[in-house]
Amino acid sequence: DGGITQSPKYLFRKEGQNVTLSCEQNLNHDAMYWYRQDPGQGLRLIYYSQIVNDFQKGDIAEGYSVSREKKESFPLTVTSAQKNPTAFYLCASRQTGPAGETQYFGPGTRLLVL
Amino acid sequence: AQSVTQPDIHITVSEGASLELRCNYSYGATPYLFWYVQSPGQGLQLLLKYFSGDTLVQGIKGFEAEFKRSQSSFNLRKPSVHWSDAAEYFCAVVPVSGGYNKLIFGAGTRLAVHP
Repeated sequence: DGGITQSPKYLFRKEGQNVTLSCEQNLNHDAMYWYRQDPGQGLRLIYYSQIVNDFQKGDIAEGYSVSREKKESFPLTVTSAQKNPTAFYLCASRQTGPAGETQYFGPGTRLLVL
Repeated sequence: AQSVTQPDIHITVSEGASLELRCNYSYGATPYLFWYVQSPGQGLQLLLKYFSGDTLVQGIKGFEAEFKRSQSSFNLRKPSVHWSDAAEYFCAVVPVSGGYNKLIFGAGTRLAVHP
């Protein structure tokens, strides 16, 4: 099956701890994204990568870091500098074609602070 | 500023009734337009999209949307709602600029369906 997988489904972070969220896709898409979703709000872009070994900050990158060493993988690290990390995190990848482009989303990871 | 507006935060309809969810955007040129649906605790599923051409687009699960350039709108419709349609619906746009095209979301509309 082609798609986007995220793990874990739930993640608990202690104060001062860094945690890493996994995102993998087998759709052969070049671009990948991380979004944060808070209740009552739309999605906000944290980081994106348009190609392997390259990534850019989105609108709310402070307290987060990413890497893109493989086309299939785009892990997100929530660092201790992120003071309000409790949220639902969504990964996406982008399909491009002659007519336009579309982002497809993974199932999400819910991060909770202990 | 570029923005996407979904005026209705919550909508409640009876099962079998028709549905229209509103979406307006503020950009100079016609963007790419999308509707996504999200069930509780799940990721976003693409319902339909508009790039160009016929302004009435059909999507999955019996949904359709109509692009109206004069009103900068892309409203989502369904003629008969099923209980399983209860979810949150997001309108999103990509303002096509020739450079990196960012996907911008509305705040969402939560749909409740009465039996």
